[in-house]
Amino acid sequence: IAGITQAPTSQILAAGRRMTLRCTQDMRHNAMYWYRQDLGLGLRLIHYSNTAGTTGKGEVPDGYSVSRANTDDFPLTLASAVPSQTSVYFCASSVQQGTEAFFGQGTRLTVV
Amino acid sequence: DQQVKQNSPSLSVQEGRISILNCDYTNSMFDYFLWYKKYPAEGPTFLISISSIKDKNEDGRFTVFLNKSAKHLSLHIVPSQPGDSAVYFCAGIYNAGNMLTFGGGTRLMVKP
Repeated sequence: IAGITQAPTSQILAAGRRMTLRCTQDMRHNAMYWYRQDLGLGLRLIHYSNTAGTTGKGEVPDGYSVSRANTDDFPLTLASAVPSQTSVYFCASSVQQGTEAFFGQGTRLTVV
Repeated sequence: DQQVKQNSPSLSVQEGRISILNCDYTNSMFDYFLWYKKYPAEGPTFLISISSIKDKNEDGRFTVFLNKSAKHLSLHIVPSQPGDSAVYFCAGIYNAGNMLTFGGGTRLMVKP
């Protein structure tokens, strides 16, 4: 079934540890995004990529990095996790920037 | 400063009645608006959209209204069904931008 796959589904992480959230799409979409969802704040954009080989910063990029080596994969890395990064993380993709986005099922991350 | 605001965190409606979810925005550059629906433990899914050149878009039980002068849009669900119980996010896009900007979400509860 075509779509977006995120891994892991959930994770408890010790503060200071490094963590990579994985995201893969098989729709050949050019644009990909990482959002975090926090209560009352909706979905906030962390980083985006308009096409393979390019990335950009969103609204809340600090503490996160991304790479886009190919069209399908868009991993999000927390170099040194902090408790404020406890959130639900959603990866999304769209045909091109600025169009309707399709979301993965989310990764629930708890930093303790 | 939130560019998209959903001032009602929750709404409770009786089955069969109308649900009206509201959204306000400040960025006059938005030229496309979308509504997403989110069930627990799932990613958001696209529901309905409207271009800024229109004031109404209808799709079955769902209608979105846009009032550009007031920078306000609303989602009407008629008749409401228990399966509509979810969190609803509105979002804005502008073609020169790179992201969907989301509101904080409204939790709709439709009671049987």
